[in-house]
Amino acid sequence: AQKITQTQPGMFVQEKEAVTLDCTYDTSDQSYGLFWYKQPSSGEMIFLIYQGSYDEQNATEGRYSLNFQKARKSANLVISASQLGDSAMYFCAMRLIQGAQKLVFGQGTRLTINP
Amino acid sequence: EAQVTQNPRYLITVTGKKLTVTCSQNMNHEYMSWYRQDPGLGLRQIYYSMNVEVTDKGDVPEGYKVSRKEKRNFPLILESPSPNQTSLYFCASSLYLAGTYEQYFGPGTRLTVT
Repeated sequence: AQKITQTQPGMFVQEKEAVTLDCTYDTSDQSYGLFWYKQPSSGEMIFLIYQGSYDEQNATEGRYSLNFQKARKSANLVISASQLGDSAMYFCAMRLIQGAQKLVFGQGTRLTINP
Repeated sequence: EAQVTQNPRYLITVTGKKLTVTCSQNMNHEYMSWYRQDPGLGLRQIYYSMNVEVTDKGDVPEGYKVSRKEKRNFPLILESPSPNQTSLYFCASSLYLAGTYEQYFGPGTRLTVT
């Protein structure tokens, strides 16, 4: 069975600093996708970035990048030059390419950006 | 605008009173799913649907029913709600076999069962 682990329940970072949110995953499948979602206090789920298991390059989307280390089964989210609006809950998730059609989520990390 | 809508956004009800949370998407997506979010547990899948009239259980289906009579709609039914179903519920849709497999989420429904 798939599992996502986010070991940081909460993080506090100064504005403009870079921040890394940890995510490790467990699956025996070779084909999968990894996602990061942001959930602000308003509650909606906002898709940030995607990494396929066969992608050789780390995914980047603006200030977001995904540090994908397949051998270590980690998919950390890096936010460069953090902003106050980055304060939110962040979820790492995994979806198998074959088999059960669902996203498996981690417990989430609450990120607080201090001015 | 491409979106997933849910109604109601907030609901307070009593134990045993049947309720339905509606979900609709305008992107012609084949795949739809329901999740519940609880503190410390992240989001867990309740049910999903691969297409019209095709539904299957997720990880936490007990106490819930779904139907998919039209491609755009995927209602979640609680026949006899209990307090342990107090949660934040999300509907999601995605284009089956799309490259990034991105799921589009609705705004969420916060349900309280007393």
